[in-house]
Amino acid sequence: DAGITQSPRHKVTETGTPVTLRCHQTENHRYMYWYRQDPGHGLRLIHYSYGVKDTDKGEVSDGYSVSRSKTEDFLLTLESATSSQTSVYFCAISLTGSQNTQYFGPGTRLTVL
Amino acid sequence: AQTVTQSQPEMSVQEAETVTLSCTYDTSESDYYLFWYKQPPSRQMILVIRQEAYKQQNATENRFSVNFQKAAKSFSLKISDSQLGDAAMYFCAYRSNNAGNMLTFGGGTRLMVKP
Repeated sequence: DAGITQSPRHKVTETGTPVTLRCHQTENHRYMYWYRQDPGHGLRLIHYSYGVKDTDKGEVSDGYSVSRSKTEDFLLTLESATSSQTSVYFCAISLTGSQNTQYFGPGTRLTVL
Repeated sequence: AQTVTQSQPEMSVQEAETVTLSCTYDTSESDYYLFWYKQPPSRQMILVIRQEAYKQQNATENRFSVNFQKAAKSFSLKISDSQLGDAAMYFCAYRSNNAGNMLTFGGGTRLMVKP
């Protein structure tokens, strides 16, 4: 257990509304990641962070923004949710000194109607 | 960009038997890591095993072992003495040593275990 929590765990929203998902970690890990999981695609990276206020884009970043104002929190924002963003979202952290293995949070199921 | 392919969408195995899940990847890098993750119905992503590309010895974790063929870019997972609790989606993942240490995942294999 790498001390990762995600909130909310489930959310249903309507097209066009803003949505923010939160990832919280308790162990001061430097790297944090947001992935989405869709059938047939495994997990795909949206954005990642390598420190406070340091973020970069992943493979499927369009329509998403992130922020990291403190080490323990990494926020994922959908400025105007679309039905194509219906997915399961996973946060992960990377443990340094352990082959940089990534450990995952429990996931958030987001449905955009 | 790296790609990871899992060619078996579904596999089944009899309880107590052995099953092998396949994974191939494409990369031009020489130094990287490979992982297998398990995702049971609870949706939690659980690390099963990892392999460093610079190590020739195949990784082993209890009933789980890998067959890492670097030249062939193949990374299969063998599960011995299969148990009902092994039923899950299994994902192969590649981690580059480039900035960000990002993971690239295969599409997954659903493993069913028959009692």
